[in-house]
Amino acid sequence: SAVISQKPSRDICQRGTSLTIQCQVDSQVTMMFWYRQQPGQSLTLIATANQGSEATYESGFVIDKFPISRPNLTFSTLTVSNMSPEDSSIYLCSVNYNEQFFGPGTRLTVL
Amino acid sequence: AQTVTQSQPEMSVQEAETVTLSCTYDTSESDYYLFWYKQPPSRQMILVIRQEAYKQQNATENRFSVNFQKAAKSFSLKISDSQLGDAAMYFCAYRSAGKGQFYFGTGTSLTVIP
Repeated sequence: SAVISQKPSRDICQRGTSLTIQCQVDSQVTMMFWYRQQPGQSLTLIATANQGSEATYESGFVIDKFPISRPNLTFSTLTVSNMSPEDSSIYLCSVNYNEQFFGPGTRLTVL
Repeated sequence: AQTVTQSQPEMSVQEAETVTLSCTYDTSESDYYLFWYKQPPSRQMILVIRQEAYKQQNATENRFSVNFQKAAKSFSLKISDSQLGDAAMYFCAYRSAGKGQFYFGTGTSLTVIP
């Protein structure tokens, strides 16, 4: 199995600022996925991050708003830039390691 | 893109009874996987059961079983002998065989009544 940790677990931020979320996996994985779960909603894929290449973004998500880093096979960061209240969500990191594993999520509130 | 539909936003079941959660999906692919995930208030996504599309036999995991109807693109989850700990949000999900990203349904909130 794969154990995923995320930092921070939650944060409250001011409009216009940026927050970087970290995702650490205890195993080396090729692809890491970032999802957003808005209040009362399902999970929506933001982007897929491969080590050594640029992330692939889903429709409706752009790199300027959600820059992603993937410096090695066990770590990734997602930055939520120039935040607005509409960005208030839970952000989850996920990996496929024999089966799909999800991190505990980062609960972001933007005031 | 693939779509996953859960038509029951909320369901409730008496403890020890059986409940079935519905899920339908739309795809043109022939090789894929289907999943049911459980998300309790802790937010942690927990895999309940998975089904490979090429398998005709329905997957079972203890009290959890699925009714997979490939032609109808239907994938329902049956929970038998419901327990209080089963209360959670349940998400149906689809993944292509050759890709890693998931497509999730909108979820069904399950309440277990003591």
